[in-house]
Amino acid sequence: QPVVIQEPSLTVSPGGTVTLTCASSTGPVTGGSYANWVQQQPGQPPRTLIYSTNDKHSWTPARFSGSLLGGKAALTLSNVQPEDEADYYCLLYFGGAQVIFGGGTKLTVL
Amino acid sequence: QVTLRESGPALVKPTQTLTLTCTFSGFSLTTSGMCVSWIRQSPGKALEWLARVDWDDDKSYRTSLRTRLSIFKDTSKNQVVLTVTNMDPLDTGTYYCARMRMLGATRTFDYWGQGTLVRVSS
Repeated sequence: QPVVIQEPSLTVSPGGTVTLTCASSTGPVTGGSYANWVQQQPGQPPRTLIYSTNDKHSWTPARFSGSLLGGKAALTLSNVQPEDEADYYCLLYFGGAQVIFGGGTKLTVL
Repeated sequence: QVTLRESGPALVKPTQTLTLTCTFSGFSLTTSGMCVSWIRQSPGKALEWLARVDWDDDKSYRTSLRTRLSIFKDTSKNQVVLTVTNMDPLDTGTYYCARMRMLGATRTFDYWGQGTLVRVSS
């Protein structure tokens, strides 16, 4: 089964910019991986912010953006706010209709 | 307004079968491109996709759990049911259902339920 790899933790200062990445054990992440980025704040259910690599839902703050970067999917947060402190999960779609989540990145705003 | 709500037992014994129901509103699972997935999260751990049922009744399962999972939809009741056989304490966690849209180049889990906590213990 493929493995989706994320940074376990990152720290960013309020107002700063941070990029989270998502790699696949099977090779480069492409548009066909349809990367989604899911935010989970403490004690809350998940909420999808980015889908199909770089599309945003109506509830996604403008400071969040998705892209492909060096064979990985990437989530960039600009002008980081204290409420952005959360766990962020990447998910990728693989052949055979498999969906695999990454291990998550714990983002600390400090 | 799209909503999903999970329901099921809070406690099951090892070896028993878990049956969870996702009751949804605001969309139809007969509409092309609509799907419902189940995802779980063990305490303090990452999300783990389990299974999906599509508008055309196509089904897919996590490879490593395929023999234990079964998913089906009841479109008349707007429900999706997941069964997990031979439950083990390692299956303890919060189980979420989520709507998924697959249309053209779009693939997304756009709406999630609040989740239901299941504990496996004798």
